[in-house]
Amino acid sequence: NAGVTQTPKFQVLKTGQSMTLQCAQDMNHEYMSWYRQDPGMGLRLIHYSVGAGITDQGEVPNGYNVSRSTTEDFPLRLLSAAPSQTSVYFCASSYSTIEGDYGYTFGSGTRLTVV
Amino acid sequence: AQSVTQPDIHITVSEGASLELRCNYSYGATPYLFWYVQSPGQGLQLLLKYFSGDTLVQGIKGFEAEFKRSQSSFNLRKPSVHWSDAAEYFCAVGAWDSSYKLIFGSGTRLLVRP
Repeated sequence: NAGVTQTPKFQVLKTGQSMTLQCAQDMNHEYMSWYRQDPGMGLRLIHYSVGAGITDQGEVPNGYNVSRSTTEDFPLRLLSAAPSQTSVYFCASSYSTIEGDYGYTFGSGTRLTVV
Repeated sequence: AQSVTQPDIHITVSEGASLELRCNYSYGATPYLFWYVQSPGQGLQLLLKYFSGDTLVQGIKGFEAEFKRSQSSFNLRKPSVHWSDAAEYFCAVGAWDSSYKLIFGSGTRLLVRP
C-alpha cells in the first residue's frame, strides 16, 4: 500500500537543463495534481488532472508540462530549468465519494535546486 | 476568487498552554476545509477536515477545528500543546468544482517553549 510515490527526493539541476519529476499512485484515484511549496507562500497548484488524458493548468503553470497517459502516473516536466523553480514539489492524488466527501494523499516531496 | 488567509506567520506558546491557529477563507459555495501539519523536511499530514455535518470537527493528535460560516473561519485548536506539536500548519479550502484542487494558506509556524 504505497500511496503516492515521488521520485527523486532530491535533485540539483543547472540552469537550462530539463528533467522529469515522477509521481505514481496505486489507489486508483482519478484526480492528481502537482504543487510547489515556497517559504511564506504555502503550496501553489502547478497543474492538475481529472483523469487519464485530461490535464489543466493551475495557478503557476509556466515552465512546466504534464501529461496523464495512465491513471497511475502523472509526471511533471521542467522544460528549461530556472533558479526561480528552486522549490519543494508535492504530488497529490485525490478521491471523491457520492456522499460528497473528498480527500487528498500527498507524496513525500521532491526538493529541487536549480543553480 | 477563492483564497485562504492565515494571519499569523509565527506563533509561540508554552508547552501545556492552549493553542488557536486562525484561518479565514473566501469561497462562493459551501467549502471543503482542511488543516495539514508539516514537520521540517517532511510531507503534509492531514489533521482534520470538514465537508458537512457537525461544525466542530475532531482530528488526530488532540486537535479540533470549528467551522463558522458567518465568520468564514475554520480555526484550529488544541487545549494543551506538546513540544512535538512544533511544526508548520496549513489551512486549505477545496474547490467544489471539477478540478478538486486545494487552495492553501501561507502557513503558520508554531514554536513551543519548554
